[in-house]
Amino acid sequence: DAGVIQSPRHEVTEMGQEVTLRCKPISGHDYLFWYRQTMMRGLELLIYFNNNVPIDDSGMPEDRFSAKMPNASFSTLKIQPSEPRDSAVYFCASSPIGRETQYFGPGTRLLVL
Amino acid sequence: QKEVEQNSGPLSVPEGAIASLNCTYSDRGSQSFFWYRQYSGKSPELIMFIYSNGDKEDGRFTAQLNKASQYVSLLIRDSQPSDSATYLCAVNPGGNNRLAFGKGNQVVVIP
Repeated sequence: DAGVIQSPRHEVTEMGQEVTLRCKPISGHDYLFWYRQTMMRGLELLIYFNNNVPIDDSGMPEDRFSAKMPNASFSTLKIQPSEPRDSAVYFCASSPIGRETQYFGPGTRLLVL
Repeated sequence: QKEVEQNSGPLSVPEGAIASLNCTYSDRGSQSFFWYRQYSGKSPELIMFIYSNGDKEDGRFTAQLNKASQYVSLLIRDSQPSDSATYLCAVNPGGNNRLAFGKGNQVVVIP
């Protein structure tokens, strides 16, 4: 069974450009989480969805960040415009209802120049 | 106060020794606790979870939970070089599937 799938795996862009990160959760999982990881701040929860509905977006750093989940098998995290301080590894994770265990995707390494 | 704190710096242990990691949490109502392992350049992967006070053993790993003192520990017995990684403590504050993660502790096992 495929795990959480993320694309792209690496992204290098210039400041001011739009960046879109994609995630396909494990089939049947009801929860989807977006995290950002940096050395300084560790693993930070940005937003999470339950049954495609955003539940808590209090971790989204500012209006430049937005996330959508149009269906149970796809989610996007968009940064527009991107800034160098957005450089980080972005993880997507999913979990089934009734179990808190989260399964992480391989991550997207974002570098904003 | 952070939800989950892991304050120890990098931990170096000789091969075959016991590695001990600690984690404290702030929400007394937390019900479930997790340890994730993250190799350099990789994503976190679950190694243990614990819900009840006391010890839970899984192979060379033992998780210990003390709800009264609000801390969770992870012991790695007979440490191997393959255990060299960062270990993340995570806590479910309750009410949903959200997890709060600590910043992690790096473990280096020296052959």
